[in-house]
Amino acid sequence: DAKTTQPTSMDCAEGRAANLPCNHSTISGNEYVYWYRQIHSQGPQYIIHGLKNNETNEMASLIITEDRKSSTLILPHATLRDTAVYYCIVRGGSNYKLTFGKGTLLTVNP
Amino acid sequence: NAGVMQNPRHLVRRRGQEARLRCSPMKGHSHVYWYRQLPEEGLKFMVYLQKENIIDESGMPKERFSAEFPKEGPSILRIQQVVRGDSAAYFCASSPVVRDRAKETQYFGPGTRLLVL
Repeated sequence: DAKTTQPTSMDCAEGRAANLPCNHSTISGNEYVYWYRQIHSQGPQYIIHGLKNNETNEMASLIITEDRKSSTLILPHATLRDTAVYYCIVRGGSNYKLTFGKGTLLTVNP
Repeated sequence: NAGVMQNPRHLVRRRGQEARLRCSPMKGHSHVYWYRQLPEEGLKFMVYLQKENIIDESGMPKERFSAEFPKEGPSILRIQQVVRGDSAAYFCASSPVVRDRAKETQYFGPGTRLLVL
């Protein structure tokens, strides 16, 4: 699976949109981009995934660039409870393993 | 629909004892994965099981660790003769059968925190 690069940490004001970037320049055509988050001491929580089209669900939006080499997870109105480590994971083909990197620690400030 | 359930949530063992971690997948899910998160590190894949079959145990230490997912009942991760280095959070995930594996979403349980004294 393609390697991903994320900033180590980010800050966001409560009520504002949080935009979390992820680079995956070596992604191949059949690989999906997955986002999970881990709130302190809890199990990872699935957020969203996409292949090439932008995706939206009740939690977030996923914007994937046309060349698919990068993506952005958007939390439209961040709350204090969104403070967590966010993981961008590329997975495809027959690979069922999720490879977690270090992720981005998002801190939402009041 | 209940999520993935794991128990116990916390487990304390002395060196040399056995640890048994249980995972009940979400209803309708027949795939189970175990991951380990050592202190201050990311999650690492350990093993992938389907009912009564181990599909991939490439991430599991060769000795002292074993996993099963019987026809009836939860999946069990068993660690024999625990050592201090086994202290970690162990997470179980489950997923349904999906034709396109790349779209198969894994849902995680709350984890079991193992502390070896």
